Amino acid sequence: GAVVSQHPSRVICKSGTSVKIECRSLDFQATTMFWYRQFPKQSLMLMATSNEGSKATYEQGVEKDKFLINHASLTLSTLTVTSAHPEDSSFYICSASGQDRETQYFGPGTRLLVL
Amino acid sequence: ELKVEQNPLFLSMQEGKNYTIYCNYSTTSDRLYWYRQDPGKSLESLFVLLSNGAVKQEGRLMASLDTKARLSTLHITAAVHDLSATYFCAVKNSNSGYALNFGKGTSLLVTP
Repeated sequence: GAVVSQHPSRVICKSGTSVKIECRSLDFQATTMFWYRQFPKQSLMLMATSNEGSKATYEQGVEKDKFLINHASLTLSTLTVTSAHPEDSSFYICSASGQDRETQYFGPGTRLLVL
Repeated sequence: ELKVEQNPLFLSMQEGKNYTIYCNYSTTSDRLYWYRQDPGKSLESLFVLLSNGAVKQEGRLMASLDTKARLSTLHITAAVHDLSATYFCAVKNSNSGYALNFGKGTSLLVTP
């Protein structure tokens, strides 16, 4: 099946710094990529949807100026958490789908800890 | 707003027993997904149910979909410890670029 990678898998940063997370589709072209956030023992919540070459669509309550998403190519989307705060500590998971949109392939996730 | 509800949220069962996890959703959809998540890991796709009446089985797990009742079930047969994990159902949300709306998850613990 299709493979989606994320980098880094874990990151620890100081409060106020910015962190970039990469999501790559390794063997297919991802027309759409999704970014989810999962707090401990909770479900996945959609943060934003990004289509290659266009601006991301953010879900209600997600600050677009804080969570910058760039989907510059059909195989790469990045999420930058700007001015991170401890409450941004979470598990960030991306997924990608091809043109058929039938199946989403999930990345392994990035665990962010903001001190 | 598309809502996805799972129950139970927590399930402790003995090895060898059978049980069913239920997933209800609030709007019309003919795409329902089941995922497994182990602690600290991402999601593993279990089943994609694409039409009313769809039934899929893999090992001790069987999933079904009733789009008229907006209900999916995940049935566990003769549980074993390796099935301990959190199971999520999810429904595709056409209002969010076909992202998935997830249920809260069912945390399953299979004990000897």
